[in-house]
Amino acid sequence: DAGVIQSPRHEVTEMGQEVTLRCKPISGHNSLFWYRQTMMRGLELLIYFNNNVPIDDSGMPEDRFSAKMPNASFSTLKIQPSEPRDSAVYFCASSRPGHQETQYFGPGTRLLVL
Amino acid sequence: AQKVTQAQTEISVVEKEDVTLDCVYETRDTTYYLFWYKQPPSGELVFLIRRNSFDEQNEISGRYSWNFQKSTSSFNFTITASQVVDSAVYFCALSEGRSNYQLIWGAGTKLIIKP
Repeated sequence: DAGVIQSPRHEVTEMGQEVTLRCKPISGHNSLFWYRQTMMRGLELLIYFNNNVPIDDSGMPEDRFSAKMPNASFSTLKIQPSEPRDSAVYFCASSRPGHQETQYFGPGTRLLVL
Repeated sequence: AQKVTQAQTEISVVEKEDVTLDCVYETRDTTYYLFWYKQPPSGELVFLIRRNSFDEQNEISGRYSWNFQKSTSSFNFTITASQVVDSAVYFCALSEGRSNYQLIWGAGTKLIIKP
């Protein structure tokens, strides 16, 4: 079975540009999570969707960040405008119904904002 | 307050040695889940195991084994006959309550296996 798929795997952009990260959860999973990982702060939950609806976005850093889940098999995380401090690895994870605690992670997108 | 402590920042062993990674947690909940994840140098996060608070049986999967002891609030991970491919950062995590999506992460232990 395919795991969580993320694209792109690497992204280098200049400050001020828009960045869009993409995620396809595992088929049959109804919860989706976006995380950010940095050396300083470790793993941070940015947003949690359940059945395509955002349930908890308290971890989204600021208005420059937005996330959507238009259907059960696709989600995006957008940063506009990007800043150097957004440089991090962004992970998408998904979990199956009734087991939101057991999260399977994608390979991550390594973002560098110059 | 809930917390996960991985006191070992970095461990280095020679291949074929056994190694144990420690994880100590704090929670007031009687229902909770504990996890181990592996993050190899390539960067992905790999789910290894989930254990619920009502099941204290030790688990073995190949060279990996986990020892869950509620009396000491520990969930330790042992790799037997370590291999270079085991080199990674290993994270322990805690989720309180039932189906709680919020994971409390340890800081991680970097394991280096030397050939």
